[in-house]
Amino acid sequence: KNEVEQSPQNLTAQEGEFITINCSYSVGISALHWLQQHPGGGIVSLFMLSSGKKKHGRLIATINIQEKHSSLHITASHPRDSAVYICAVSSGGGADGLTFGKGTHLIIQP
Amino acid sequence: GAGVSQSPRYKVTKRGQDVALRCDPISGHVSLYWYRQALGQGPEFLTYFNYEAQQDKSGLPNDRFSAERPEGSISTLTIQRTEQRDSAMYRCASSLWENQPQHFGDGTRLSIL
Repeated sequence: KNEVEQSPQNLTAQEGEFITINCSYSVGISALHWLQQHPGGGIVSLFMLSSGKKKHGRLIATINIQEKHSSLHITASHPRDSAVYICAVSSGGGADGLTFGKGTHLIIQP
Repeated sequence: GAGVSQSPRYKVTKRGQDVALRCDPISGHVSLYWYRQALGQGPEFLTYFNYEAQQDKSGLPNDRFSAERPEGSISTLTIQRTEQRDSAMYRCASSLWENQPQHFGDGTRLSIL
């Protein structure tokens, strides 16, 4: 079974700071997902990637398959970015259910 | 809207009762996933379907849990003889096919008294 580790578990930063959240996993995957869970509880998919880098607005996700590591970056952070960010991986091919990390609780202070 | 719909939103029941949780995926989505999230924890995988076929049920905790998707659309997760430890948020997600971004429903909050 894949083990997914995230760091840090909690992060408090000031508005405008550059944020990095890290994720590592133990076994080869077909894809890695970054998800956002807001205080209201809803979960939104931010990125799904299997190689390289993806960018959407102020969010950037990268993955290094050889090192089994991914990072989520937030540029020019804003209080509305405050949420729990969850890394999850899937193995595909009949084992496509996600294995989740414990999440990173991010608070951006004005 | 056209998102993943789950019902009921909240379910409170007494220990020992059976419960059925429903998930209506996004129209046209082939893959449907069930997850469970305990308070303060990350989600954990239960089972998933492609069309009506259950592909992987390795995450179901024991034989009191079962799921079906008989017509390849709506799915039901059933928990028999509920126990207090079953209390959690049960989330459903769907995707166009395997290895695609998953769209999550708002979940059913299950409380067993």
